[in-house]
Amino acid sequence: DAGITQSPRHKVTETGTPVTLRCHQTENHRYMYWYRQDPGHGLRLIHYSYGVKDTDKGEVSDGYSVSRSKTEDFLLTLESATSSQTSVYFCAISRGPEQYFGPGTRLTVT
Amino acid sequence: RKEVEQDPGPFNVPEGATVAFNCTYSNSASQSFFWYRQDCRKEPKLLMSVYSSGNEDGRFTAQLNRASQYISLLIRDSKLSDSATYLCVVNDNAGNMLTFGGGTRLMVKP
Repeated sequence: DAGITQSPRHKVTETGTPVTLRCHQTENHRYMYWYRQDPGHGLRLIHYSYGVKDTDKGEVSDGYSVSRSKTEDFLLTLESATSSQTSVYFCAISRGPEQYFGPGTRLTVT
Repeated sequence: RKEVEQDPGPFNVPEGATVAFNCTYSNSASQSFFWYRQDCRKEPKLLMSVYSSGNEDGRFTAQLNRASQYISLLIRDSKLSDSATYLCVVNDNAGNMLTFGGGTRLMVKP
């Protein structure tokens, strides 16, 4: 157990609304990540953070922003949700080269 | 071409069978290799790291062939509880970034 929680676990929202997903960790890890997982695409990196206020883009960052104001929290924001952002979102932390995942957030944009 | 390729399966095997999965990766500079297991609607969980000398953990054996750029996972004496999707994962050592294969689905039948 890597001490990672995600909230909310499930969300249904309408196109055009802003959405924020939260990832919380209890073990003071420096690196945190946001992925999305879709059928036929596997896990794809959206954004990652390598410290407080230090973030960078991943493979599929368009339409997403992130913030990390505290070591333990990494927020993912969809400024204006679109149906193509319907997905399962996983947060992860690094312990050395290995990554450990939170339980995921299932987001549906209608 | 995908960076990490896996046969999506499904592999349908009877209990007690031995099953092997292979995975190929395209980045010859990759440094770390892993197998993750993912159950339906759950997060990926680290099954084992893969070392150059090969490694074994109970019924599971992982091998790495750097020359041919492939990784294998062997499961002996399959159990019903082994039914899951197995993800091949590669770390290219660029800022702790992981690249995921699309997964191989295993179904173990009574």
